[in-house]
Amino acid sequence: QVQLVQSGAEVKKPGASVKVSCKASGYTFTGYYIHWVRQAPGQGLEYMGWINTNTGGTDYGDPDFPQKFQGRVTMTRDTSLDTAYMELSRLRSDDTAIYYCARTRTVSYGMDVWGQGTTVIVYS
Amino acid sequence: DIQMTQSPSSLSASVGDRVTITCRASRSISSYLHWYQVKPGKAPNLLIYTASTLQSGVPSRFSGSGSGTDFTLTISSLQPEDFATYYCQQTHRTPFTFGPGTKVDIK
Repeated sequence: QVQLVQSGAEVKKPGASVKVSCKASGYTFTGYYIHWVRQAPGQGLEYMGWINTNTGGTDYGDPDFPQKFQGRVTMTRDTSLDTAYMELSRLRSDDTAIYYCARTRTVSYGMDVWGQGTTVIVYS
Repeated sequence: DIQMTQSPSSLSASVGDRVTITCRASRSISSYLHWYQVKPGKAPNLLIYTASTLQSGVPSRFSGSGSGTDFTLTISSLQPEDFATYYCQQTHRTPFTFGPGTKVDIK
């Protein structure tokens, strides 16, 4: 069946980096965009950006109005593994959250399949 | 960025009630508006996309309407499994911002 399976929970120290993977199965990986969304404890959903899995192009938002993680996030993919990655560097305590990947058929569609989430805890 | 607001932020309702949640965008987003249901410990679930299209497998008691800046999500007859938090999201301009959520709990 169609699914996105993410890597396991991570505990990191402030200043470190984390790389979360998202492996697709059951569909043509390069036919869909992958988006990343996070949810901090007790908070709402926060959009992080997308990657075009076909071209590798990414969008993290308007650089003139940077999000709190802009400049620290990098999204990549490996088409031979049908896997997308989200790396967040210079971690801070407020990066503690569940990180989700999700797919869309076109960049502006709703996200119809989600990964199970990866908990990242930043703890000194 | 396009700012999204939702009202109410929370509501209490009974099984069988009709529930309406409103989402407003800070500028026109055409119909690039989607609704998600989030339950504790679970990934979000897409309910409605492009303002009014029901996602496959979602019960028909869920419906969406609106365009431009004002949108609504309606649950025609609330069921026990519908108690959750609902988020709207715009995909007109990046970053694809979410609303702050509306928590629906049991009266």
